[in-house]
Amino acid sequence: AQKVTQAQTEISVVEKEDVTLDCVYETRDTTYYLFWYKQPPSGELVFLIRRNSFDEQNEISGRYSWNFQKSTSSFNFTITASQVVDSAVYFCALSEEYNFNKFYFGSGTKLNVKP
Amino acid sequence: EAQVTQNPRYLITVTGKKLTVTCSQNMNHEYMSWYRQDPGLGLRQIYYSMNVEVTDKGDVPEGYKVSRKEKRNFPLILESPSPNQTSLYFCASPRPGEQFFGPGTRLTVL
Repeated sequence: AQKVTQAQTEISVVEKEDVTLDCVYETRDTTYYLFWYKQPPSGELVFLIRRNSFDEQNEISGRYSWNFQKSTSSFNFTITASQVVDSAVYFCALSEEYNFNKFYFGSGTKLNVKP
Repeated sequence: EAQVTQNPRYLITVTGKKLTVTCSQNMNHEYMSWYRQDPGLGLRQIYYSMNVEVTDKGDVPEGYKVSRKEKRNFPLILESPSPNQTSLYFCASPRPGEQFFGPGTRLTVL
């Protein structure tokens, strides 16, 4: 069965600290996509990154970095030098190639960055 | 610009009063979906459509109806809303490896 688990319900850090958000997934498909979305208090879903199952190369984009490890079925997200504007709910999601219509979301991690 | 629009963005209603949330996409996608988001549960799929006149249930379809008479539109219908349908609703339109979400509709049923 397909499942995405974000074990961290809520994390609080002080500005400039680094923070890692964990995501563990389950799927039987060999071809799939993993995503991270940010949901600020306004409610919209902001797309951050997509990785496909054949690309385990880690990625860095500014203060954001992602660590994809198929061996542990994890797709973790790190924010370096966090800022107050990073405060939001972050969702990890899974989509399978042959059932791309459906996204499986984790329950979300609420990140509070305090000044 | 590729986008999914939905209206209204905010809605407060009372139990039993029928309502419709509209959704439209301008990408000529075949697939469209509705999700609801509740605290601690993430987003869960309500219904989806593979093409005009073809719809199917998602994970939480009870209390909802949908229709797909045109490719671009996929309205969500609550014929008799109840307080447990108070939620944040997202319309979505995917293509392989990508999902386009609408801005969300906050629905409160009193």
